[in-house]
Amino acid sequence: KAGVTQTPRYLIKTRGQQVTLSCSPISGHRSVSWYQQTPGQGLQFLFEYFSETQRNKGNFPGRFSGRQFSNSRSEMNVSTLELGDSALYLCASSGGGNSYEQYFGPGTRLTVT
Amino acid sequence: DQQVKQNSPSLSVQEGRISILNCDYTNSMFDYFLWYKKYPAEGPTFLISISSIKDKNEDGRFTVFLNKSAKHLSLHIVPSQPGDSAVYFCAARDAGGTSYGKLTFGQGTILTVHP
Repeated sequence: KAGVTQTPRYLIKTRGQQVTLSCSPISGHRSVSWYQQTPGQGLQFLFEYFSETQRNKGNFPGRFSGRQFSNSRSEMNVSTLELGDSALYLCASSGGGNSYEQYFGPGTRLTVT
Repeated sequence: DQQVKQNSPSLSVQEGRISILNCDYTNSMFDYFLWYKKYPAEGPTFLISISSIKDKNEDGRFTVFLNKSAKHLSLHIVPSQPGDSAVYFCAARDAGGTSYGKLTFGQGTILTVHP
């Protein structure tokens, strides 16, 4: 079974621009969660999608948004990029329901200059 | 509000000895606790988990202990190997209300195992 894939792996953007990151979950998984990892902050939860609906949301500003498609693939969008948005963005998939194990992709390294 | 805390940013141990990584939490509504390992340039990989109704779970060299009264869990690695050198994250799953299913992670502990 193929793992979680994320594209692109690396991205450099300028302050004020917007960016869209993509995540393809493990086949059969219906839940996709997004996290931001910065040094010293661990993994900060952004949001979770299950069956195309946002099920949980973290404490991030409205510039961060996401969506999930009928094939469970998910996208995350960040508008009006700030320097502080530079981070590793990780997505994780799980079977949903009562399944608690999440399987992570390799992440997208976003650098905002 | 840091509901899951790993107070030790780093830990250094000798190969063959025991590594003990610690994690504290504040939310009584967590029903599962998980440990993940992360190498540079890779996503975290699941290691081991424990239900809140258990106090110990063992898988090979890895054992997780849960002390509910102290809201504390620990991961023991015995014996430690150089390949275990990585960042270890503890995580907790929320079983309550509108946050059901959400995983909250600690800040991570960098484990270095010296040959």
